[in-house]
Amino acid sequence: GQSLEQPSEVTAVEGAIVQINCTYQTSGFYGLSWYQQHDGGAPTFLSYNGLDGLEETGRFSSFLSRSDSYGYLLLQELQMKDSASYFCAVRPSSGNTGKLIFGQGTTLQVKP
Amino acid sequence: DAGVTQSPTHLIKTRGQHVTLRCSPISGHKSVSWYQQVLGQGPQFIFQYYEKEERGRGNFPDRFSARQFPNYSSELNVNALLLGDSALYLCASSSSVNYGYTFGSGTRLTVV
Repeated sequence: GQSLEQPSEVTAVEGAIVQINCTYQTSGFYGLSWYQQHDGGAPTFLSYNGLDGLEETGRFSSFLSRSDSYGYLLLQELQMKDSASYFCAVRPSSGNTGKLIFGQGTTLQVKP
Repeated sequence: DAGVTQSPTHLIKTRGQHVTLRCSPISGHKSVSWYQQVLGQGPQFIFQYYEKEERGRGNFPDRFSARQFPNYSSELNVNALLLGDSALYLCASSSSVNYGYTFGSGTRLTVV
């Protein structure tokens, strides 16, 4: 089976840097994705790691280490609007579908 | 361009009733996936359709069914509603089977 674990909550101050970790147990997957969701709205794609290493997209960076079964999302220069839930997700390599398996989500609260 | 459109946005049903949720994908997208998101958890995969054929099914009872129409819109049907079916139902569309999914804002279903 597959499961992904994330911290349930993280709090940081405006302007700071925060890292949201994702550890996983899966038999095989194509890559690790990150999504942002505000107040139960539409999850929005943030970043994708198909290979080990760091991917940078503006203030957001994501990292994957398959050997450590670990990834993280790094948010820099935090803004109040970054307060949201963040989900890591994988697409299993078994079966030719677009099925995504999501973690439970991390609620980020940014304080002034 | 319009994003993924879901209707209705909110719905209240009684236990034992039937519900139909609708999704219009982004123009040109041929793949539609459905997810259930219970409060405080990550989305869980229900179905994927591509070119009107079922490509994947999650671990949900037979009370859940779906279909995709020639214009690539989709319906999710749930029979014999249970209190535990209360959730946000998300639709995601893509031009591909495997990646590039865009989520809609969901339908909030409450079963009383």
